[in-house]
Amino acid sequence: GNSVTQMEGPVTLSEEAFLTINCTYTATGYPSLFWYVQYPGEGLQLLLKATKADDKGSNKGFEATYRKETTSFHLEKGSVQVSDSAVYFCALSDRSNTGKLIFGQGTTLQVKP
Amino acid sequence: ETGVTQSPTHLIKTRGQQVTLRCSSQSGHNTVSWYQQALGQGPQFIFQYYREEENGRGNFPPRFSGLQFPNYSSELNVNALELDDSALYLCASSSSGRREDTQYFGPGTRLTVL
Repeated sequence: GNSVTQMEGPVTLSEEAFLTINCTYTATGYPSLFWYVQYPGEGLQLLLKATKADDKGSNKGFEATYRKETTSFHLEKGSVQVSDSAVYFCALSDRSNTGKLIFGQGTTLQVKP
Repeated sequence: ETGVTQSPTHLIKTRGQQVTLRCSSQSGHNTVSWYQQALGQGPQFIFQYYREEENGRGNFPPRFSGLQFPNYSSELNVNALELDDSALYLCASSSSGRREDTQYFGPGTRLTVL
């Protein structure tokens, strides 16, 4: 079945460091891919998305490229800030079943000043 | 534009009780999905409602049920609560029943079962 695998956290970085959070997926067909962010005590916020191969999603300095050949959607940011500290979830939409979202287990990012 | 809202924010119940959680979808959205997020885990799909009818269901027992109303708001009902039902329950809305639509999440309801 469809699934998403994220790198395990926590990831601890200093402010202004480069961020990569790895995400790979298994899916039949051509799912849309998403990154959601969850701040402490809050729900999920859509960070970025890509709907087809080679699309690049971007928002607030974060980027991810839909790589069909490697079934990956890695999240990157060139210079992280303390305010980026949160849990990041990679997800795919299961187009074979209502478009429900299938999430990875989440990666905690902690950015230190 | 009003986002997705959920009530209550927190809830404490005892095992065996029943609970109802509520969700108001974002303006213009007619599809609502419910997810359960256990502590330290990613959200798991419970079910989806499109124009007042169930449009798909995840691997949850029948004691998890739902409704969608003509204004597209929704309820999640859980009967015979178990300790493992303790979780954050998230509601997400999207603009149509199309499978490629982006889902926008509410802040969640934190349910604790004692």
